[in-house]
Amino acid sequence: DQQVKQNSPSLSVQEGRISILNCDYTNSMFDYFLWYKKYPAEGPTFLISISSIKDKNEDGRFTVFLNKSAKHLSLHIVPSQPGDSAVYFCAASARYGGSQGNLIFGKGTKLSVKP
Amino acid sequence: DTAVSQTPKYLVTQMGNDKSIKCEQNLGHDTMYWYKQDSKKFLKIMFSYNNKELIINETVPNRFSPKSPDKAHLNLHINSLELGDSAVYFCASSQTLPGNQPQHFGDGTRLSIL
Repeated sequence: DQQVKQNSPSLSVQEGRISILNCDYTNSMFDYFLWYKKYPAEGPTFLISISSIKDKNEDGRFTVFLNKSAKHLSLHIVPSQPGDSAVYFCAASARYGGSQGNLIFGKGTKLSVKP
Repeated sequence: DTAVSQTPKYLVTQMGNDKSIKCEQNLGHDTMYWYKQDSKKFLKIMFSYNNKELIINETVPNRFSPKSPDKAHLNLHINSLELGDSAVYFCASSQTLPGNQPQHFGDGTRLSIL
């Protein structure tokens, strides 16, 4: 039972254009959402997060949008750079409901930014 | 200066053996975790410890035993290794529980069972 879904296993974008990575979730108790970036043979690196009380959070080239009614979030990268090529994981957690803030991860989307 | 470090990076061993993976964090965090990334690439929580106390044990076989000698270390010992244990194991830490804060990950230990 996948509570966090990233339906696109891969995405290819031209350098300088916008990359949009999508994530859907099913558990309405989730109140904190994160994006991680992962290079091969390294651990996931925290990128940006958003609390359920917000619908947008921006950090430099990275913006996360949250649509609670649709149970959907997205990560926008503008402008995309070749160094952004990596696997991006969406994750969610719920402070309440017995899960103790446990992070639930999606399967990841591999982003390739072409020069 | 690595924030979350785990050793070894690679571990190749025979079925039936016992092995340990070590994890240390220098972030001053109270909470540490072990995750398993299987062949389908899902990252799944195995354990979490807060101030050396076990908080989460996600139906992991009791062949897996975490040990936290202090809040900066969370080691993972695995007895009687099986083929299905082959995976990448990630250690992580966060400031405290409950959630709503990012977790910081080590670079993983790739365990291969022959």
